[in-house]
Amino acid sequence: DAGVTQSPTHLIKTRGQQVTLRCSPKSGHDTVSWYQQALGQGPQFIFQYYEEEERQRGNFPDRFSGHQFPNYSSELNVNALLLGDSALYLCASSLWTGRSFYNSPLHFGNGTRLTVT
Amino acid sequence: GENVEQHPSTLSVQEGDSAVIKCTYSDSASNYFPWYKQELGKGPQLIIDIRSNVGEKKDQRIAVTLNKTAKHFSLHITETQPEDSAVYFCATGYTGTASKLTFGTGTRLQVTL
Repeated sequence: DAGVTQSPTHLIKTRGQQVTLRCSPKSGHDTVSWYQQALGQGPQFIFQYYEEEERQRGNFPDRFSGHQFPNYSSELNVNALLLGDSALYLCASSLWTGRSFYNSPLHFGNGTRLTVT
Repeated sequence: GENVEQHPSTLSVQEGDSAVIKCTYSDSASNYFPWYKQELGKGPQLIIDIRSNVGEKKDQRIAVTLNKTAKHFSLHITETQPEDSAVYFCATGYTGTASKLTFGTGTRLQVTL
């Protein structure tokens, strides 16, 4: 049973550039969420995708955008990179039961370490 | 928005001892309380969760207690082993939108021989 997979594992970018991170959810899951984890901090919610639409969004600027594909995989795009965007980006998946995520806790991937220089 | 405080930030125990990590939250509407373990170079792994209609839940050496009145919940690990060494995060959410979790700042647990 494949868990959540993310690519690439590490990435180095320059300020002002754009980056795309990729995620494949755990088998059987249909919902993908993205989190940013700064060094020494807990993960912070960026947004959630379900049925190819952004359903919820955390307190992140519009430079952060995403996409979900028909096979439930997802991309996170960050434009105009800032030094402060350096972090571990985590993808998490779950299953929408039609009423809630009550029986489907989040499963996280191992993340993409983004360094902005 | 929700604010989750977690203590202590670091915890060192001897193998076989118990470890307790505590979290408080601010939003009384929160009704889902998971705990995650994060090892070096890996993503967070769910170790136990509890919902607001339950006061306590146990899974082998791990237990979580919830006090909704006081808005705090705790993780208890008994008979600690070296492989328990990791960073532990508490989080809160709503079962209707459980993808959006608010995490604490983490506790680095070190189990020494």
